[in-house]
Amino acid sequence: DAKTTQPPSMDCAEGRAANLPCNHSTISGNEYVYWYRQIHSQGPQYIIHGLKNNETNEMASLIITEDRKSSTLILPHATLRDTAVYYCIVRVAGNDMRFGAGTRLTVKP
Amino acid sequence: SAVISQKPSRDICQRGTSLTIQCQVDSQVTMMFWYRQQPGQSLTLIATANQGSEATYESGFVIDKFPISRPNLTFSTLTVSNMSPEDSSIYLCSVEKGDYEQYFGPGTRLTVT
Repeated sequence: DAKTTQPPSMDCAEGRAANLPCNHSTISGNEYVYWYRQIHSQGPQYIIHGLKNNETNEMASLIITEDRKSSTLILPHATLRDTAVYYCIVRVAGNDMRFGAGTRLTVKP
Repeated sequence: SAVISQKPSRDICQRGTSLTIQCQVDSQVTMMFWYRQQPGQSLTLIATANQGSEATYESGFVIDKFPISRPNLTFSTLTVSNMSPEDSSIYLCSVEKGDYEQYFGPGTRLTVT
């Protein structure tokens, strides 16, 4: 599976949009982009995934570039409860999840 | 989605002993995974456990140290054997469900003294 690169940390003001970038320049055509988050000491929580089209659900939006080499997770109105480590993962459906270091997002009042 | 429970939620164990962690899912799943998260680190895959077959271990993890059982489609156990302080971690199970999503349990926090 391809590897991903994420900034180690980011800050966001409460109520503003949080935009978390991820680079996956070696992604293969059959690999999906997944986003998970882990709030302190809890199990990772699924957020969203996509193949090549942009996706939106009740939690977030996922924007994937046309060449699929990078993506952005958008939390439209960040709250203090969104403070967590966010993981961007690329994988072939059905394979195991390989976690990198992720981005530690801190939402500040 | 899937609801996953793990037992125990946490434990403190003595060096040299073994602990068996249970993972229960509220629906039948084919693929289950076990992860370890050492303090301050990301998650590392230990093994993949499919019902009806031997678990597949990742590099650096061996069956003698981390034996896994998968007796049915809703349950699995991971044993941490002959524990040392380096085994102090959070152990998590996860399952693969339809639509290519994986869901994680709450984790078992293990401290070895």
